[in-house]
Amino acid sequence: AQKITQTQPGMFVQEKEAVTLDCTYDTSDQSYGLFWYKQPSSGEMIFLIYQGSYDEQNATEGRYSLNFQKARKSANLVISASQLGDSAMYFCAMRPSRNYGQNFVFGPGTRLSVLP
Amino acid sequence: EAGVVQSPRYKIIEKKQPVAFWCNPISGHNTLYWYLQNLGQGPELLIRYENEEAVDDSQLPKDRFSAERLKGVDSTLKIQPAELGDSAVYLCASSFRGADTEAFFGQGTRLTVV
Repeated sequence: AQKITQTQPGMFVQEKEAVTLDCTYDTSDQSYGLFWYKQPSSGEMIFLIYQGSYDEQNATEGRYSLNFQKARKSANLVISASQLGDSAMYFCAMRPSRNYGQNFVFGPGTRLSVLP
Repeated sequence: EAGVVQSPRYKIIEKKQPVAFWCNPISGHNTLYWYLQNLGQGPELLIRYENEEAVDDSQLPKDRFSAERLKGVDSTLKIQPAELGDSAVYLCASSFRGADTEAFFGQGTRLTVV
């Protein structure tokens, strides 16, 4: 079974500073994908970034980067130059690769608040 | 390109009444998911479809919940009868098949059972 742990229920960051949101995962699968989603107060889940378990380089998408440490089973999200609009819930998720892809398993989330 | 469309956005019903949610996935997406999200928590899978086949419904409370995906496109999720504990947001998502593809989510249906 897969499990995602996000140990930070809430985080605060000053506008324009960087912030790291922690994510650790547990799986016996050798091949899997890791995803981060943002959920603003309006409720929609917005895909941010993807990292494959066999990717050697950390993924980056604009101000988002994923600090992937496979041996430690961690996939932390780094947001650079935080903006007020980054205030939201952030979910880490994993999807095993077997059988062309399985279910997305989500963590409990981290609520990020960006302070002006 | 249209995203995942869900309706209704909000629904308030009395306990023991039936309720149904509808989802139209992104065109061409083989995989469709229904997730339940309780307040302040992450989404939890209810059922996953590959085309019209329900390939994982292990977490679906089958005594009161049912789902269908006719012709492998639109899907409906039904609860009958609803209980107070069913109050939550019901999210529909779709994706291409494959572990390296993200899922796209609808805006969800917020159900309140009174």
